[in-house]
Amino acid sequence: QKEVEQDPGPLSVPEGAIVSLNCTYSNSAFQYFMWYRQYSRKGPELLMYTYSSGNKEDGRFTAQVDKSSKYISLFIRDSQPSDSATYLCATSRAGGTSYGKLTFGQGTILTVHP
Amino acid sequence: DAGVIQSPRHEVTEMGQEVTLRCKPISGHNSLFWYRQTMMRGLELLIYFNNNVPIDDSGMPEDRFSAKMPNASFSTLKIQPSEPRDSAVYFCASSRAVTVAGSPLHFGNGTRLTVT
Repeated sequence: QKEVEQDPGPLSVPEGAIVSLNCTYSNSAFQYFMWYRQYSRKGPELLMYTYSSGNKEDGRFTAQVDKSSKYISLFIRDSQPSDSATYLCATSRAGGTSYGKLTFGQGTILTVHP
Repeated sequence: DAGVIQSPRHEVTEMGQEVTLRCKPISGHNSLFWYRQTMMRGLELLIYFNNNVPIDDSGMPEDRFSAKMPNASFSTLKIQPSEPRDSAVYFCASSRAVTVAGSPLHFGNGTRLTVT
């Protein structure tokens, strides 16, 4: 079993829809949670970063973490065609050099059609 | 800032040949990572360096894979001999400090390797 599970989709939604992307993880040692966005033939780029359980909002994006159920979510409001990309969740442990050792989910392919 | 620079962008080689992938991290970044991405396995960490020293190479699949970071501005990932199952996109990433929580990884645009 992978340490971080993510439904690869693909997910197709109309412009303006609310998108919900989800991951589960199995290791309680994971303390930091990130969402990366990857456009076709590009490297991933950091979208959101959070540590604690709860919500973190940045514009149209909201990251949610529930450590008790080991569940990570990313919500996109008023989705745009430019949001079409692969979204990867990532986790890391705390301490020492562990912060940089990210474990990624499989990635969810999202298409927002006009 | 030019970002993380990887070369070549594409590499096609025959089984058994040696392959060398190159990476120039962002200036001032102390940590460098090599990842491999495939449809089946997603994005996997192969090895990472902090201040040019390898910290964790547990993700390197076999002895055929080796990575070096001779200085703060250059790293290589070598596969010798290459096999068809090594076909993947190889990403290099850098960050300011792997010891600091929340320090984001900055990825290059990858090298697409095809081994026939």
